[in-house]
Amino acid sequence: SAVISQKPSRDICQRGTSLTIQCQVDSQVTMMFWYRQQPGQSLTLIATANQGSEATYESGFVIDKFPISRPNLTFSTLTVSNMSPEDSSIYLCSVVMTGANTGELFFGEGSRLTVL
Amino acid sequence: KQEVTQIPAALSVPEGENLVLNCSFTDSAIYNLQWFRQDPGKGLTSLLLIQSSQREQTSGRLNASLDKSSGRSTLYIAASQPGDSATYLCAVLTDSWGKLQFGAGTQVVVTP
Repeated sequence: SAVISQKPSRDICQRGTSLTIQCQVDSQVTMMFWYRQQPGQSLTLIATANQGSEATYESGFVIDKFPISRPNLTFSTLTVSNMSPEDSSIYLCSVVMTGANTGELFFGEGSRLTVL
Repeated sequence: KQEVTQIPAALSVPEGENLVLNCSFTDSAIYNLQWFRQDPGKGLTSLLLIQSSQREQTSGRLNASLDKSSGRSTLYIAASQPGDSATYLCAVLTDSWGKLQFGAGTQVVVTP
């Protein structure tokens, strides 16, 4: 398994500001994923982050709004830029493990953002 | 496009009853299927992972089955407890890179 730490766990933000969420993993992983969970909804993949390359964004998500960094194999950040109330969500970091349970994904505790 | 559906959307049972949660997916070409638990406002906890070549997985009171040909998985929770109250999410791995497609979840309440 993997232990994933996210910061902040929650925050209240003002419209028009930006916030960076950090994700730290206790082991080296190739792939890291960022998901969004809007209130009452299931999870939607924002982007896939590989170390040493640009993040790959899903349809409906763009780099200018959700810039991602992946400086090494244990860390990634997601920035939510120019926030609006529609960005109020839980943002989750995820990693995929290899080995005996290939393809098993683990998630952090999430970062709950409320935009006023 | 892969679509994942979970039925029922919500379920309330008295303590001690067995829980049966259903998940269906439209494209049988999956790498694996994973069941998660989510407590309110929290992240996801992995419960069971079933590889595409497997028919079922068991962990304690939890048992999950997979029928790829019919596009179905079922999560059984035996002898439910109030601590089992949570939202249960089913997700299928649609490519080898780790991209998951989630269902909307089943919200479970176990009453004492």
